[in-house]
Amino acid sequence: LAKTTQPISMDSYEGQEVNITCSHNNIATNDYITWYQQFPSQGPRFIIQGYKTKVTNEVASLFIPADRKSSTLSLPRVSLSDTAVYYCLVGDPVYGGATNKLIFGTGTLLAVQP
Amino acid sequence: DADVTQTPRNRITKTGKRIMLECSQTKGHDRMYWYRQDPGLGLRLIYYSFDVKDINKGEISDGYSVSRQAQAKFSLSLESAIPNQTALYFCATSDGTRRILYNEQFFGPGTRLTVL
Repeated sequence: LAKTTQPISMDSYEGQEVNITCSHNNIATNDYITWYQQFPSQGPRFIIQGYKTKVTNEVASLFIPADRKSSTLSLPRVSLSDTAVYYCLVGDPVYGGATNKLIFGTGTLLAVQP
Repeated sequence: DADVTQTPRNRITKTGKRIMLECSQTKGHDRMYWYRQDPGLGLRLIYYSFDVKDINKGEISDGYSVSRQAQAKFSLSLESAIPNQTALYFCATSDGTRRILYNEQFFGPGTRLTVL
């Protein structure tokens, strides 16, 4: 079971690019890397998922090096509304039993200031 | 996500009481989950169900039971509530019927439970 390590918190200012790195040294061959966002008193929301190299969607980019032992979530030009907790998860998203491998850690609290 | 609803949203109960938290979804998903969240501990999986007849324990199932009454409904029960079950509880769903590359989970708004 791949354990993830993220910074507990990060600070940024509006308009800056924010990069949150997650370490997952024991990632398995079938594991994907998934990021969720959670606002206070709300359930988490899926942001992005990837297996290797780079994935980009309308919200964020995900960079995964060749050894896949870490990944970086990149949020371009953050705003105050991006203040939230960001969770990095590693697991097999497709096959049976996958759910119990999707472990939410403590996440990274991103605080965006004006 | 309005497609996943939880009732009640807030509940205060006393030690020893039985309490049920309910979750309903209109997304048509086959998979449903119950998580609890404690400050500083992230989310932990209590139970999950891949269909009406398939229920599985998660990380922290002791003290909890579940019932999948229909594909759209998944209830979590605390048979005899204790104070350390005070937490924020989330229900989630996902679509396991398609062999898609990702298994995005859709979360409800949460139920804040306080056990005195």
